Amino acid sequence: QVQLQESGPGLVKPSETLSLTCSVSGVSVTSSSYYWAWIRQPPGKGLEWIGSISYRGNTYYSPSLKSRTTISADTSNNQVSLILTSVTSADTATFFCARYDTTLAGRYFDNWGRGTLVTVSS
Amino acid sequence: QAVVTQEPSLSVSPGGTVTLTCGLRSGSVSTSYYPSWYRQTPGQAPRTLIYNTNTRSSGVPDRFSGSILGNKAALTITGAQADDECDYYCVLYMGSGISVFGGGTKLTVL
Repeated sequence: QVQLQESGPGLVKPSETLSLTCSVSGVSVTSSSYYWAWIRQPPGKGLEWIGSISYRGNTYYSPSLKSRTTISADTSNNQVSLILTSVTSADTATFFCARYDTTLAGRYFDNWGRGTLVTVSS
Repeated sequence: QAVVTQEPSLSVSPGGTVTLTCGLRSGSVSTSYYPSWYRQTPGQAPRTLIYNTNTRSSGVPDRFSGSILGNKAALTITGAQADDECDYYCVLYMGSGISVFGGGTKLTVL
C-alpha cells in the first residue's frame, strides 16, 4: 500500500525559505514510471501544481514558481523534498505530495498525502 | 485568466445528471492532454476519479464518466447523490513534464 506523508514547519517568516519533506512508503521513489509531485492549495482556493521529480531525478516546475522552487529526492530515505525560497503571505497554503503515474494508462495523480498547512507570517 | 478553465459552480438535483467541463483558454482539449479528474471535500486530500480521459480509478462508481465533448474534457455524474457535493478539479498534461489544474468546480446537490 502506497503512503505519502508530508512534514515540515507549519510557520515560515516572510522572505525566508520553506522546506518540506514527503516520506514515501510502499514503493521506491526510484520506481520506474512514477514521478513525485508537489501541489499546493491556498486557504479557500484551488489546487496548483508546483512541480515534479521523475524516477530518474529529472525535475519539472511550474513556470510561475520555477525561479523559487527546488524539488529533490533522497533515495536512501525514500523521501522527496520541496524548497520554496523568498516566501510571502501569498505562499500560505496546504501543501500536498502526490505520486504521478506516467505508465501507458495515462498521466495522473494516483496517490496523495494528507497535506500539511504552511503559514507565512512574521 | 486561467489556462485551464472550469465552471466555478454548478448545481444538480438529487438523482439528476450534471456535466462538468474542462477547457483551454486557447485551443481544444484532446486525449493527448490526458485529462484527469479529482474530487475534494473540505479539509481532505483530493481523490482521483477519472484518468486518461475516461478511465475510472479503482473503486469509483460507474455514475462517474469522463469524455471529450466538443473542444473540452467532460466529467458526467449521473444519479447525483448528496455526498457528490464537493469541489471537482481537472488536470491537463501540457507536455514537457508540466501539469496544470483547472480552477475547480463547486458542485451543489439540491
